[in-house]
Amino acid sequence: DGGITQSPKYLFRKEGQNVTLSCEQNLNHDAMYWYRQDPGQGLRLIYYSQIVNDFQKGDIAEGYSVSREKKESFPLTVTSAQKNPTAFYLCASSNSGQANTGELFFGEGSRLTVL
Amino acid sequence: GQNIDQPTEMTATEGAIVQINCTYQTSGFNGLFWYQQHAGEAPTFLSYNVLDGLEEKGRFSSFLSRSKGYSYLLLKELQMKDSASYLCASFSGGYNKLIFGAGTRLAVHP
Repeated sequence: DGGITQSPKYLFRKEGQNVTLSCEQNLNHDAMYWYRQDPGQGLRLIYYSQIVNDFQKGDIAEGYSVSREKKESFPLTVTSAQKNPTAFYLCASSNSGQANTGELFFGEGSRLTVL
Repeated sequence: GQNIDQPTEMTATEGAIVQINCTYQTSGFNGLFWYQQHAGEAPTFLSYNVLDGLEEKGRFSSFLSRSKGYSYLLLKELQMKDSASYLCASFSGGYNKLIFGAGTRLAVHP
């Protein structure tokens, strides 16, 4: 079945460690996104990518890094520079450009907790 | 700049009608979107308005006024399962940067 898969679902990290969250899609979408959600809050855009080998910073990119070496994959690294990384991380994909109707397909999310 | 505002919380009674409002200020408007998110889950797409007027889809309808920078989501015949957060979103500067409001938590009571 087509869809978008995030892993791991739950992750615990010690302070000072980098962690990488995986996001894979087989929907043949050009655009992929990473959002962060804090308890009781909306979604804030971290990074987005419209095409392979290209990505742009969103509103809260500091302390995060991404890569887009393959169309299907858009991993997010939470670095030690991110001062408050405990949050729910959501990956999404969509068509790009004017074919983008705003319908994002989301993964199930990764819940990161810093100990 | 870009800004999307919606009420933080609302409550309603099972079987009733509720209207969730959203005001927005975004550069290069290309559409207004509503998503539903149950607690602990990913958001799911509900509706997309790019032209003024009301779009009806079953129990859910969405309205847009571009001149007023205003939208609302109308939920009819409320059911307990409609208890969720409702997120208003809009493109900012093109078709590839979708920005979300903080969401409205709706609690449906018997």
